[in-house]
Amino acid sequence: ETGVTQSPTHLIKTRGQQVTLRCSSQSGHNTVSWYQQALGQGPQFIFQYYREEENGRGNFPPRFSGLQFPNYSSELNVNALELDDSALYLCASSLAGGRENEQYFGPGTRLTVT
Amino acid sequence: AQSVTQLGSHVSVSEGALVLLRCNYSSSVPPYLFWYVQYPNQGLQLLLKYTSAATLVKGINGFEAEFKKSETSFHLTKPSAHMSDAAEYFCAVKAAGNKLTFGGGTRVLVKP
Repeated sequence: ETGVTQSPTHLIKTRGQQVTLRCSSQSGHNTVSWYQQALGQGPQFIFQYYREEENGRGNFPPRFSGLQFPNYSSELNVNALELDDSALYLCASSLAGGRENEQYFGPGTRLTVT
Repeated sequence: AQSVTQLGSHVSVSEGALVLLRCNYSSSVPPYLFWYVQYPNQGLQLLLKYTSAATLVKGINGFEAEFKKSETSFHLTKPSAHMSDAAEYFCAVKAAGNKLTFGGGTRVLVKP
């Protein structure tokens, strides 16, 4: 069974640029959620994708957008990067359905905006 | 609305001593509760979850947690700390929908 993978591991961007982060779901999982974890804080929910559509969104501006592909992999895109976007971005996959289904997290992408 | 409060951003314990990490939640519906551990430069690993079955939940690595509805708490314990338990621990609640709401985390330091 393949776990959740994310790429790249680390990324450095300049304020105003755009970035794309990638996530491959755990085998058999059809739902992907993205979280932002600022230094010293707990993860914050960005959005979730199911069947290639956004299925819930947290308190993040529209410059945070995503995609889910037919193989359930996903991308997180952030436009017009700001310094406060510097964080660890975590992807989690799960099965749709009951709330008891746990989310399995990838290792994260560390984004630094200068 | 749902929220999680973890009391104590840092906890220091001696090797072999009890580990107690506190978590209180608020939820407008019966909650599902989770504890995750995060080692340095890694993602989150699930320790255990409460899904309305038994109130005392056993997880991996000797951890357990007890759901107390009257106290809106889900504290995590381990009878005897090991050096490998040094990490950050996050309590999370899932109420409506499939979104996890996390607490601010508690960093555990284990002293030899």
